[in-house]
Amino acid sequence: AQSVSQHNHHVILSEAASLELGCNYSYGGTVNLFWYVQYPGQHLQLLLKYFSGDPLVKGIKGFEAEFIKSKFSFNLRKPSVQWSDTAEYFCAYIRRYGGSQGNLIFGKGTKLSVKP
Amino acid sequence: GAGVSQSPRYKVAKRGQDVALRCDPISGHVSLFWYQQALGQGPEFLTYFQNEAQLDKSGLPSDRFFAERPEGSVSTLKIQRTQQEDSAVYLCASSLAVSGTANNEKLFFGSGTQLSVL
Repeated sequence: AQSVSQHNHHVILSEAASLELGCNYSYGGTVNLFWYVQYPGQHLQLLLKYFSGDPLVKGIKGFEAEFIKSKFSFNLRKPSVQWSDTAEYFCAYIRRYGGSQGNLIFGKGTKLSVKP
Repeated sequence: GAGVSQSPRYKVAKRGQDVALRCDPISGHVSLFWYQQALGQGPEFLTYFQNEAQLDKSGLPSDRFFAERPEGSVSTLKIQRTQQEDSAVYLCASSLAVSGTANNEKLFFGSGTQLSVL
């Protein structure tokens, strides 16, 4: 079955700490990968995405993610978190096969709480 | 409007009651998706529309769930004879392009309708 594993359910950090959220997906073929963020009381927003090319992708607000095909991973990183980064983060992917694609498959999410 | 709008924001239903959830996508967006997000879970795909055509309904959990987009803009997700396991946040997302093209991956999500079935 298609799946996305996010290793941490809840991460608590102090401001200025470095962040790494793990994400692994289960499909062995071509994929597009995403991180979405949901701030408290707000809708899901795209943080960054990987389609092809440079496996290190930079997104908004200083976030970046690295696609490692051999590990089926797409971990999210930020060198120094801020209180305003408190949110829930969802990893997602789309399978690509032939000229078509599957649906967006989400992980269960990781809640990030940043202490001021 | 500026974004994807969903109504109502909250809905409480008695078990067995029918409910209708509305989604107003961004004007001009071709693709429209419905997702179900249970507590503590990520969004799960329900169905996909390209304009008025429902091209994929493989994620609908039962025949009690029905979705339509008759004029290719507003969409309604209807759940008949609601059950407690239907309690979840129902998310709508829209995209400018047709599914299968690169631009389709830019999905804009609404704030969702939180359905509680008692």
